[in-house]
Amino acid sequence: GNSVTQMEGPVTLSEEAFLTINCTYTATGYPSLFWYVQYPGEGLQLLLKATKADDKGSNKGFEATYRKETTSFHLEKGSVQVSDSAVYFCALRPNPINTGTASKLTFGTGTRLQVTL
Amino acid sequence: DGGITQSPKYLFRKEGQNVTLSCEQNLNHDAMYWYRQDPGQGLRLIYYSQIVNDFQKGDIAEGYSVSREKKESFPLTVTSAQKNPTAFYLCASSTPGHRNTEAFFGQGTRLTVV
Repeated sequence: GNSVTQMEGPVTLSEEAFLTINCTYTATGYPSLFWYVQYPGEGLQLLLKATKADDKGSNKGFEATYRKETTSFHLEKGSVQVSDSAVYFCALRPNPINTGTASKLTFGTGTRLQVTL
Repeated sequence: DGGITQSPKYLFRKEGQNVTLSCEQNLNHDAMYWYRQDPGQGLRLIYYSQIVNDFQKGDIAEGYSVSREKKESFPLTVTSAQKNPTAFYLCASSTPGHRNTEAFFGQGTRLTVV
């Protein structure tokens, strides 16, 4: 079956530090890959996405590149801010060619990021 | 504005009671989902529906029930058979069959057994 593995948190960084949150996946064919962010007490918001190999998703200074050869989609940001403190989820969505409908998302366990001054 | 609305935000249940969580969307999405979130376990799929009047069990459906009588609505009932219902529940919707379309989430309902 499909699965997503994320690095365990919490990740604690000082403001302006470089961020990497690792994400690897197992899936048939070429899934779509997503990063979602969850602020305390709220639902999930899409942060960025990539739908094919070598695509780079980016938003709000965050980036992630779809690496088929290493089945990875690591999240990076060059300079984090206190306002980036949240839980980050990596997720995949199967290719409809493989599953017919491709509706279901599979999530990683989430990585909590804490940014301090 | 288009979006997904979950209500209530907080819900308290007594032992042996059934409770129903509401989820409404005006995004015209065909597919809707219910996830349960527990600390350290990420999101687990309870039920999903790809069209009206049809739904499928997810990974942890025991103790839950759903209905999909209207495209916009996908309520979740937590029954007394669910032995550990205290959790954060998230509803989502998407367009099925489109690999580049993300799921949109509601703000969640926090259910506590008292």
